[in-house]
Amino acid sequence: GESVGLHLPTLSVQEGDNSIINCAYSNSASDYFIWYKQESGKGPQFIIDIRSNMDKRQGQRVTVLLNKTVKHLSLQIAATQPGDSAVYFCAEMTGDDKIIFGKGTRLHILP
Amino acid sequence: ETGVTQSPTHLIKTRGQQVTLRCSSQSGHNTVSWYQQALGQGPQFIFQYYREEENGRGNFPPRFSGLQFPNYSSELNVNALELDDSALYLCASSFQVVSGANVLTFGAGSRLTVL
Repeated sequence: GESVGLHLPTLSVQEGDNSIINCAYSNSASDYFIWYKQESGKGPQFIIDIRSNMDKRQGQRVTVLLNKTVKHLSLQIAATQPGDSAVYFCAEMTGDDKIIFGKGTRLHILP
Repeated sequence: ETGVTQSPTHLIKTRGQQVTLRCSSQSGHNTVSWYQQALGQGPQFIFQYYREEENGRGNFPPRFSGLQFPNYSSELNVNALELDDSALYLCASSFQVVSGANVLTFGAGSRLTVL
């Protein structure tokens, strides 16, 4: 069935280092993937997306990589800052255009 | 341009009661999706409304129902509340395209506690 999951529930990164958050998905028919950031007390906020016909997409300080062969998605954050502390969710769009979320990874920034 | 607003922000109910949560979509958006987010979990898709009709539903029982109004605002109703309904309820609006990557804009959520 459809599912989106994450390898690590918590990730601690030194301020200034790069962060890599991983995600596995099971629905090979999904053709659109999104990363969301959720800060405490707020709703999820769109970070970056990627279509299945791409394997890499870059934004400001963020890069999403898609490996369709192993159904793996990752979010890379360059020069991690204290404001990056949040829970990060990967999500996929199903065949009927519904967005399904994974469980999330909490990113801790160490001073 | 206003974002997605939800009300109330917090509420407490007892088992068996009914609750109505409200959502005003972002200007220019015509689709509303509702999600339930239990503590420490990712948002779970409840249903989506487009042109005032339900346009897809997740694995939630019929006591979860909704409405979308002509101005694209929406309500989520939950009847016969159970303890497990305690969660953050998120509303997200988007502009529906024929075959698209519909970027969801989320509200801050309504925190429901069922005692």
